Amino acid sequence: TQLLEQSPQFLSIQEGENLTVYCNSSSVFSSLQWYRQEPGEGPVLLVTVVTGGEVKKLKRLTFQFGDARKDSSLHITAAQPGDTGLYLCAGVGNYGQNFVFGPGTRLSVLP
Amino acid sequence: NAGVTQTPKFQVLKTGQSMTLQCAQDMNHEYMSWYRQDPGMGLRLIHYSVGAGITDQGEVPNGYNVSRSTTEDFPLRLLSAAPSQTSVYFCASSYTPWTSGRRTGELFFGEGSRLTVL
Repeated sequence: TQLLEQSPQFLSIQEGENLTVYCNSSSVFSSLQWYRQEPGEGPVLLVTVVTGGEVKKLKRLTFQFGDARKDSSLHITAAQPGDTGLYLCAGVGNYGQNFVFGPGTRLSVLP
Repeated sequence: NAGVTQTPKFQVLKTGQSMTLQCAQDMNHEYMSWYRQDPGMGLRLIHYSVGAGITDQGEVPNGYNVSRSTTEDFPLRLLSAAPSQTSVYFCASSYTPWTSGRRTGELFFGEGSRLTVL
């Protein structure tokens, strides 16, 4: 069983602060995805990283895939209350359709 | 813009009762799956299907059955509900990467079904 760990589990910060959350595994994945989930809704895909060492930016969010394709990080610059939610990483295995999720990081950004 | 539709949104059962959670998607996705979400444990895969007539077990299949008679529908059946099945259930679908010209799929989730078993 491929397991993903995420840290921290909970994070509460003030608006305007920067933060980084981590996703780690002992297994290699063909790609890794980050989803955000808001209360009462299903997760929504933010980004997919495919190549080891890849960095992708989505406005104030920066995603990095580790060189060995076992870990990833999500950095948020100048966090806003709208960033509040549960951030889930998912490792994608064979054929691009086997998704394994981490336990998530619950982020709260206070105004 | 229906996407993935789950019903019901809320359900309370007594131990031993049976029920079916419905899931339908209108995106012509081949891949469909059911997850359960429990505090601190993320999303755990129950069953999945890569096309009509094909289903397979995920990480936590015990106590659940599925079938896939059409591309659109993927119902999840609880045959004899137990308190350990109290959870939020999500249905998700994905396009097939290799027929879409992409390296990987993307899961589209429903809004979830909150189930309580007393």
